[in-house]
Amino acid sequence: DAGVTQSPTHLIKTRGQQVTLRCSPKSGHDTVSWYQQALGQGPQFIFQYYEEEERQRGNFPDRFSGHQFPNYSSELNVNALLLGDSALYLCASSLLAANTDTQYFGPGTRLTVL
Amino acid sequence: GQQVMQIPQYQHVQEGEDFTTYCNSSTTLSNIQWYKQRPGGHPVFLIQLVKSGEVKKQKRLTFQFGEAKKNSSLHITATQTTDVGTYFCAGQEGRYNFNKFYFGSGTKLNVKP
Repeated sequence: DAGVTQSPTHLIKTRGQQVTLRCSPKSGHDTVSWYQQALGQGPQFIFQYYEEEERQRGNFPDRFSGHQFPNYSSELNVNALLLGDSALYLCASSLLAANTDTQYFGPGTRLTVL
Repeated sequence: GQQVMQIPQYQHVQEGEDFTTYCNSSTTLSNIQWYKQRPGGHPVFLIQLVKSGEVKKQKRLTFQFGEAKKNSSLHITATQTTDVGTYFCAGQEGRYNFNKFYFGSGTKLNVKP
């Protein structure tokens, strides 16, 4: 049973560039949430996707956008990168029909913006 | 806006001592979850509490949800070196997906053998 996978593991970009991060949910899961975790902080909710639509959004600017594909995998895009975007980006999957809010996190993508 | 505060920020204990971390929300929560994140790892789901006053146990771990559903605690009895990591609470206002989880800043536990 495959867990949540994310790619790439690490990424280095420069200010102003754009980045795309990818997530494959746990087998059987249909909902994907993205979180940003700065060093020494708790994860901050970015947005959540279900049925290929953004269902909820946290307090992040429009530079952060996402997509969910028919196979439930998801992408997080960040445009015009800032130094402050350096963080661990976590993807979490869950199953809506399970009537529970248990989230399974992936290993994350460590983004460094220089 | 919604805020979830967690204390203490750090806790250093001797192996065998007990440990408690506290979580407080500025608003009433529908449920609260607890996660453990090992150094260099990702958050791992431990438990979810839904009912007012609920208490759940997992071996040496005891989780409580306050009567007003605005606070929660995690207590570890007789800590072991395997308990090392950062413990996060995450509160949810609505019920079942399509709602945001607000994470606390975490309590970093260090256990000296």
